[in-house]
Amino acid sequence: GAVVSQHPSRVICKSGTSVKIECRSLDFQATTMFWYRQFPKQSLMLMATSNEGSKATYEQGVEKDKFLINHASLTLSTLTVTSAHPEDSSFYICSASFRLAGIETQYFGPGTRLLVL
Amino acid sequence: DAKTTQPPSMDCAEGRAANLPCNHSTISGNEYVYWYRQIHSQGPQYIIHGLKNNETNEMASLIITEDRKSSTLILPHATLRDTAVYYCIVRANSGSARQLTFGSGTQLTVLP
Repeated sequence: GAVVSQHPSRVICKSGTSVKIECRSLDFQATTMFWYRQFPKQSLMLMATSNEGSKATYEQGVEKDKFLINHASLTLSTLTVTSAHPEDSSFYICSASFRLAGIETQYFGPGTRLLVL
Repeated sequence: DAKTTQPPSMDCAEGRAANLPCNHSTISGNEYVYWYRQIHSQGPQYIIHGLKNNETNEMASLIITEDRKSSTLILPHATLRDTAVYYCIVRANSGSARQLTFGSGTQLTVLP
């Protein structure tokens, strides 16, 4: 149980285009999903917290107009990288919160590798 | 700032127990200890969590000291597929501190 999927697994795009990444909780409902970014040889950095039906909360330094997050249902959150540039090339990972017996645990998707040319 | 301190790397022989330490001397009473691991080019995988009692599941055991200032993750019989970066994270279960803050973790290499 507690499986999270991401699509696509990898994407290559031209500079200036937009890319949408989907994050789905497959066997549970997640009121909260999180988006992380990981550059090579670095740890995961939280970008934003996404709550179903409300606006996402972005971490300091993350541009909300560039990284659009939509959490339209309890099983789906999307991250759109708008006007992507080579410096946006990274490994993007989502997670979904699952609460069991009062304890909330985050389960992660497999990640999406973005390469902007 | 990361609330935990872990050794940057460790080696373990295949079939042996891997003991990964973590210091969290400033842990608060309402914070849990979570362990995740990340195999190269994959998303992190949840392993186990605990508050103050020792915990065991099908993947690992978590030993938390009585003062809760440190813990040890134990993989009882390490295999080559356990080679990964292991992250120890402390986090409250409610309120605004629900996010996970990843530090540098421990790179565990299981040797044949």
